[in-house]
Amino acid sequence: DARVTQTPRDKVTEMGQEVTMRCQPILGHNTVFWYRQTMMQGLELLAYFRNRAPLDDSGMPKDRFSAEMPDATLATLKIQPSEPRDSAVYFCASGPDGEADTQYFGPGTRLTVL
Amino acid sequence: AQSVTQLGSHVSVSEGALVLLRCNYSSSVPPYLFWYVQYPNQGLQLLLKYTTGATLVKGINGFEAEFKKSETSFHLTKPSAHMSDAAVYFCAVTGNTGGFKTIFGAGTRLFVKA
Repeated sequence: DARVTQTPRDKVTEMGQEVTMRCQPILGHNTVFWYRQTMMQGLELLAYFRNRAPLDDSGMPKDRFSAEMPDATLATLKIQPSEPRDSAVYFCASGPDGEADTQYFGPGTRLTVL
Repeated sequence: AQSVTQLGSHVSVSEGALVLLRCNYSSSVPPYLFWYVQYPNQGLQLLLKYTTGATLVKGINGFEAEFKKSETSFHLTKPSAHMSDAAVYFCAVTGNTGGFKTIFGAGTRLFVKA
């Protein structure tokens, strides 16, 4: 049963520290998405990739967030420096290739910045 | 531009009663419409989707939705609620824009009373 995996599942850090979240998309999927979920803002699209190339990262605060796909099996989301307002659940999702395709979500990384 | 509006942040039904969760969308291109469900401490998973063809779409767990272009709606229904249906439900839209961007609604939390 193919699944998207995310690490770590939980992360507590102090303000100013660097945070790196990792995602392994389903093998063979060509699109990868990063979302942030909070009670106040709901589910926000931060960035997404197709065939490892970034298509849109307009949802990310550029000064502190960065997203990359070093290879087809790994996507990373980095926050440097982290701030308390970054506390949220971060989801990675992957999809086969098309806009009509289902997105398969990972279990999320719960980030708490103190 | 695309948008999704889910009417009602909370819906409460009795076990065995009809479930109706409302979703209206706006899209400048033919939409692809999705319903996802999120259980506690999990990522989203697909219930059903509409791409083309038959406007009544059946999904998992007895849910179905009807695409009504004239009303720009994609409401989710289930004839008889079960306790295990308690979760948060998200309506989402993408379009054939080449951009892969998915817009999610704010979500509706479904409560099921015994």
